[in-house]
Amino acid sequence: GDSVVQTEGQVLPSEGDSLIVNCSYETTQYPSLFWYVQYPGEGPQLHLKAMKANDKGRNKGFEAMYRKETTSFHLEKDSVQESDSAVYFCALSDQDGGFKTIFGAGTRLFVKA
Amino acid sequence: DVKVTQSSRYLVKRTGEKVFLECVQDMDHENMFWYRQDPGLGLRLIYFSYDVKMKEKGDIPEGYSVSREKKERFSLILESASTNQTSMYLCASGGGNQPQHFGDGTRLSIL
Repeated sequence: GDSVVQTEGQVLPSEGDSLIVNCSYETTQYPSLFWYVQYPGEGPQLHLKAMKANDKGRNKGFEAMYRKETTSFHLEKDSVQESDSAVYFCALSDQDGGFKTIFGAGTRLFVKA
Repeated sequence: DVKVTQSSRYLVKRTGEKVFLECVQDMDHENMFWYRQDPGLGLRLIYFSYDVKMKEKGDIPEGYSVSREKKERFSLILESASTNQTSMYLCASGGGNQPQHFGDGTRLSIL
């Protein structure tokens, strides 16, 4: 079945550092890919998305490229800020999965001032 | 603006009680979902519904049931609460190839 793997449970950059949060996926179909962000006390919310191969999702200085050849959708930012601290979930959905979205385990980003 | 509302932010119940968690969405979405969120395990799908009175089991349906009598409302029922059901419960609507919209969650403690 479909799966999403986020290799880091937590990342601890300092403010101004660059960031890469890894996401790899497995599916036999042609998924849509998403990053969700969850701030303390809130539910997850859509952060960015890419609907097909070679699309790039962008939001608030974050980017993620839909790479079909490596089945990856890594989240990147050139310079993180303390306000970026949150939990980030990578996710996919596809036609074979019907109405479901498959989420990764999440990566907690804590940006040190 | 899009809104998914969960009836309680915090709830404390006793083992063996029947517990109802309510969720309402105002986006006219056909699909609605219930997840539980536990540290290190991400979001795990309990049940989902793609139409009124229709439901499908997710990955961890044991000990839970759901009800969808109206399009905007999706209820999660813990038939006989147990301590291992202490968790954060999240309701969502939307999905398919489009994003899901989440409520702010209900933190449920079973004593």
